[in-house]
Amino acid sequence: DAGVIQSPRHEVTEMGQEVTLRCKPISGHDYLFWYRQTMMRGLELLIYFNNNVPIDDSGMPEDRFSAKMPNASFSTLKIQPSEPRDSAVYFCASTYSSGGGHEQFFGPGTRLTVL
Amino acid sequence: DAKTTQPTSMDCAEGRAANLPCNHSTISGNEYVYWYRQIHSQGPQYIIHGLKNNETNEMASLIITEDRKSSTLILPHATLRDTAVYYCIVRYYNQGGKLIFGQGTELSVKP
Repeated sequence: DAGVIQSPRHEVTEMGQEVTLRCKPISGHDYLFWYRQTMMRGLELLIYFNNNVPIDDSGMPEDRFSAKMPNASFSTLKIQPSEPRDSAVYFCASTYSSGGGHEQFFGPGTRLTVL
Repeated sequence: DAKTTQPTSMDCAEGRAANLPCNHSTISGNEYVYWYRQIHSQGPQYIIHGLKNNETNEMASLIITEDRKSSTLILPHATLRDTAVYYCIVRYYNQGGKLIFGQGTELSVKP
């Protein structure tokens, strides 16, 4: 298995531009998570889905952030418009409830820089 | 979810056991203890979890005190590749539920 796949791995954009981050979870996993990591705030959960349905989006910082999961094999995190304070590493993770959901598998992350 | 307290940093000599403590004095009976680690620039990696009993897998051992208020992650023979930030997380078991990461312990394994 290729693991959780994220794209792009690096993104540099200018303030005000729209940014879309993509995630492909491990096949068969029914939970998907989006995390953000910064030096100041550490690792924080933004939103998670179960069977493609958003369960908890309380960590989404502002209306500029939105996430979708149109099917079991794809999710996007969109920032519109982007701001310099959105610069961070964004991780996607997945797990499967039939295995107890104890182990989350993380992707390699997308490093976002907003100038 | 209960709060955890970990030392900010620790050193360990290569080949020796690394013992990473975690305090979770407000843990409730249905909360599990999880350990993850994050090697520089990579995504976090699951290590082990437990409820009441001690657990062991190919990566590590987890020792949970009888009152469950603290635990220790043991890497039996630390290598340079074990240098990472180790996170102790406590949460209810609810199939796939979210993880709340604290600041973790930065473990440096030295030759």
